[in-house]
Amino acid sequence: GAGVSQSPSNKVTEKGKDVELRCDPISGHTALYWYRQSLGQGLEFLIYFQGNSAPDKSGLPSDRFSAERTGGSVSTLTIQRTQQEDSAVYLCASSLRSGRAYQETQYFGPGTRLLVL
Amino acid sequence: GDSVTQMEGPVTLSEEAFLTINCTYTATGYPSLFWYVQYPGEGLQLLLKATKADDKGSNKGFEATYRKETTSFHLEKGSVQVSDSAVYFCALSDQGTSYDKVIFGPGTSLSVIP
Repeated sequence: GAGVSQSPSNKVTEKGKDVELRCDPISGHTALYWYRQSLGQGLEFLIYFQGNSAPDKSGLPSDRFSAERTGGSVSTLTIQRTQQEDSAVYLCASSLRSGRAYQETQYFGPGTRLLVL
Repeated sequence: GDSVTQMEGPVTLSEEAFLTINCTYTATGYPSLFWYVQYPGEGLQLLLKATKADDKGSNKGFEATYRKETTSFHLEKGSVQVSDSAVYFCALSDQGTSYDKVIFGPGTSLSVIP
């Protein structure tokens, strides 16, 4: 079946502009994660959604970052007033379910490469 | 807080050489441990995992053993191929959290030359 898809695959924007990144998780997966991969660094957790529960936003680096998940499926990560340090690859992952008893595998999308000029 | 440390790359090996990528972790609970691989131009894929001490994860000729006493999860392969060239990420998911929040190491780039 289809995997996790993300769009756009590449985005170039000017400093100060807003951007929206989209993630379509695998159908039926209730857990969705956003990560950021900066050049030469590991993956940084941003935000987590599980079903209709309130998301864990503890990883968002500033209040310029926000994310929504509509209908428990598609998610949008929005970065307002982009800065050059926001340049990175933004990865989305989904899993069938989540919780201490499950340890489900996370399936990653190909990512969106964001470049802020 | 929880963290993962990996050996720094890049690592360059000749085909059929033995591979070891070191990984150590710090966690407050009893984590599950993972190795993810990112091939050029592709997204991350789960390579293998181990959920408790002394478990060995294996896949595609790669192996890693969960060593609680040394808090390590080193990745090994007996004979690497050019197709193994990729970035490898060690990661943990702490079962002390309410969900599978995965913490990744910085990644180790591997290049295998013919």
